[in-house]
Amino acid sequence: QKEVEQNSGPLSVPEGAIASLNCTYSDRGSQSFFWYRQYSGKSPELIMSIYSNGDKEDGRFTAQLNKASQYVSLLIRDSQPSDSATYLCAVNLGYGGSQGNLIFGKGTKLSVKP
Amino acid sequence: KAGVTQTPRYLIKTRGQQVTLSCSPISGHRSVSWYQQTPGQGLQFLFEYFSETQRNKGNFPGRFSGRQFSNSRSEMNVSTLELGDSALYLCASSFEGLAGVRTDTQYFGPGTRLTVL
Repeated sequence: QKEVEQNSGPLSVPEGAIASLNCTYSDRGSQSFFWYRQYSGKSPELIMSIYSNGDKEDGRFTAQLNKASQYVSLLIRDSQPSDSATYLCAVNLGYGGSQGNLIFGKGTKLSVKP
Repeated sequence: KAGVTQTPRYLIKTRGQQVTLSCSPISGHRSVSWYQQTPGQGLQFLFEYFSETQRNKGNFPGRFSGRQFSNSRSEMNVSTLELGDSALYLCASSFEGLAGVRTDTQYFGPGTRLTVL
């Protein structure tokens, strides 16, 4: 059973702080990793993708991947109240023949307090 | 470029009925995937279509089916609706590029909220 695990939260951080979101996955064959943000009542919105070990930065967001530990994280610097949402970690086993099958964690609810 | 569109946005049905949901992918995207999202189970993969062929299928009963048309638009159908089918149904599209080009990023539509009474 391929699984993606996330702490459900809620994770509460003060405005301006760094929010750290974590995700582990079970299948070592996983190739692609994604972070989505979902506001209440809305659909998931892509924040970042990461494919190689290490860090990937995009604005206030940094994704970190460690395939040996089967661990993905998302750091949000200078957190804003508008970042309050559920963050979904998603994993894809591969691409090409079967790239459309994302396995999602259940999400971590983040609350940024003004 | 317009995003993924889904129709209808909201739907109310009764048990035993059937329903058809529609999805238009981002222009140029040929891969369409469907997901079901419920509070208890989260986001679960239903199936994926590419070039009018189902390429992958999740662990859902045969009441859930889909198809893709030559213009990449996709529909999913749920027959004999059950109360547990109440969910947000999400469609996502991705660009299938040349071999070796990583194009598996999926973009989601707004979803169809299905309520089964």
